Amino acid sequence: DIQMTQSPSSLSASVGDRVTITCQASQGISNYLNWYQQKPGKAPKLLIYDASNLETRVPSRFSGSGSGTDFTFTIFSLQPEDVATYYCQQYDDLPFTFGPGTKVDIE
Amino acid sequence: EVQLVESGGGLVQPGRSLRLSCAASGFTFDDYAMHWVRQAPGKGLEWVSGISWNSGTIVYADSVKGRFTISRDNAKNSLYLQMNSLRTEDTALYYCTKAASTSCFSAVDNWGQGTLVTVSS
Repeated sequence: DIQMTQSPSSLSASVGDRVTITCQASQGISNYLNWYQQKPGKAPKLLIYDASNLETRVPSRFSGSGSGTDFTFTIFSLQPEDVATYYCQQYDDLPFTFGPGTKVDIE
Repeated sequence: EVQLVESGGGLVQPGRSLRLSCAASGFTFDDYAMHWVRQAPGKGLEWVSGISWNSGTIVYADSVKGRFTISRDNAKNSLYLQMNSLRTEDTALYYCTKAASTSCFSAVDNWGQGTLVTVSS
């Protein structure tokens, strides 16, 4: 199985800050990497697909990059409504695996 | 608007069976693959199973292979998950999800609200 790791596991930042989360795959997955946002008590929501493509109607302050084994997710200007847990997920190979998540809070 | 509404969850004893259903609307159901993803209480996301648009490709996580069966009825715009030989570790919120293409190998772009399955004696 392809293992996905994320760092940090949690972070706290101020409104307006740039926030960066990294995701690493245990083997190359090309760009078959998605990012999801899960707010407390809600279902996850797709933000970024194929490593760098912004899903429809997702604010442009969210961004993704990377390929192969190393990926980065950025929130350029953190907003209060961005408090959530963020997950990366690979779909290069079965089983499709998620990272453990990064919890983002406001300071 | 895409809507995915799960049903069929509940409390069940270990070793017993349960069948989850998902009613889909707001899109052409048979144009897309579908998946089940679960989340144990307080834990992360775990992909469970996927099925292509025409049921030609069906895939499972090793943790459920041989116990769970995914299926779909395109005429009824419905997705199912038959869960047999349930274990306590199957306790989770089960999400019905829509893939972004006909193939299982794509992003999941829509999620239902989930149905809770609790396996306990």
